[in-house]
Amino acid sequence: SQQGEEDPQALSIQEGENATMNCSYKTSINNLQWYRQNSGRGLVHLILIRSNEREKHSGRLRVTLDTSKKSSSLLITASRAADTASYFCATDGGTSYGKLTFGQGTILTVHP
Amino acid sequence: DTEVTQTPKHLVMGMTNKKSLKCEQHMGHRAMYWYKQKAKKPPELMFVYSYEKLSINESVPSRFSPECPNSSLLNLHLHALQPEDSALYLCASSQMVAGLTYYEQYFGPGTRLTVT
Repeated sequence: SQQGEEDPQALSIQEGENATMNCSYKTSINNLQWYRQNSGRGLVHLILIRSNEREKHSGRLRVTLDTSKKSSSLLITASRAADTASYFCATDGGTSYGKLTFGQGTILTVHP
Repeated sequence: DTEVTQTPKHLVMGMTNKKSLKCEQHMGHRAMYWYKQKAKKPPELMFVYSYEKLSINESVPSRFSPECPNSSLLNLHLHALQPEDSALYLCASSQMVAGLTYYEQYFGPGTRLTVT
């Protein structure tokens, strides 16, 4: 079964607006990662946050992690049409090191 | 070089065929992965190799046979597949430290497999 559940399933916004995606998971984790996938292509790593971190930034991306609530959020600020893609959270947890379990993903559409 | 390459890009095979998917990376990563992704679904882990040894097999049917000939190459041998095996097959690699700490994964563009 999938470890991570994402919400919303789909998000449609205008260029310049912010986009927030949420991810919840069920078991303890070593780290949580966010990936982007353009249609039918490989995944691109965006950001990794470890279980002892609460917030991380990378360019226009901000990720938070709340291990007490087993949840994470990805904020993309000042979105661009090129941000249109599917976004997945993935957890690396338990004793199966290296095993990433992906959430169902959020489809983000940014309209020019 | 931060690229993971996969060949072929597309593959159509019959249920009696034998084919192989290839993956290559030159980033010095010692962990390599195979994922299967169906349309509109997240990737599902199939296999993990750590230091060229199979460390995780997610109960994948034996018609999928992975092989890691060296630290840069990963193969997936396919035999007697079913139409439901049609999917995008993604390869990835990552750094790892002592088998305990894994880092972000770098994905290849995938092989689009169609089984007829």
